[in-house]
Amino acid sequence: GQNIDQPTEMTATEGAIVQINCTYQTSGFNGLFWYQQHAGEAPTFLSYNVLDGLEEKGRFSSFLSRSKGYSYLLLKELQMKDSASYLCAVPTTGGGNKLTFGTGTQLKVEL
Amino acid sequence: NAGVMQNPRHLVRRRGQEARLRCSPMKGHSHVYWYRQLPEEGLKFMVYLQKENIIDESGMPKERFSAEFPKEGPSILRIQQVVRGDSAAYFCASSPPGTGTEQYFGPGTRLTVT
Repeated sequence: GQNIDQPTEMTATEGAIVQINCTYQTSGFNGLFWYQQHAGEAPTFLSYNVLDGLEEKGRFSSFLSRSKGYSYLLLKELQMKDSASYLCAVPTTGGGNKLTFGTGTQLKVEL
Repeated sequence: NAGVMQNPRHLVRRRGQEARLRCSPMKGHSHVYWYRQLPEEGLKFMVYLQKENIIDESGMPKERFSAEFPKEGPSILRIQQVVRGDSAAYFCASSPPGTGTEQYFGPGTRLTVT
């Protein structure tokens, strides 16, 4: 089976940096996704990591350590519009393409 | 290129009625996934379909729920005899053939059962 764990909520200040952690247990590994979801809206794709290391995309970066079953999403120069839920997800293994999601980390950006 | 389309965006049904949720995947995408998000909970996989085939329905409740993706037209998620516990946001996602895992989500249908 697959299990994903991430903090329920975090608060950070506009302009700061925040790191959202995700730990996972899977019987195999096919990569890890991060999605952003604003309240009442659809999840939108942020990143996909399949190899160890840090991948940077503008203000957002995502890190993966397969040996530790650990990933984090790093958000720099926080803006108010970054207030959202951040979802960590892993695809199924052994065939099939469903995603198993964590419960999401609700990030609140304050002035 | 239009994204994943879902309709209706909001649906209110009384207990015992049927709910039909529609999803049109992105152009060129032949894989469709349905997820349910209960209030204050994460997204849960329900079913994965390709044209005219159900590939994985391991997340579907055994009764009252069914899904299809016909050769022509949108994918349909049908819930018969709805109960209050079915109230949730239902999201459809699609992906192109061959990649599978990169999924693009629609805006969701928010079902309220009264």
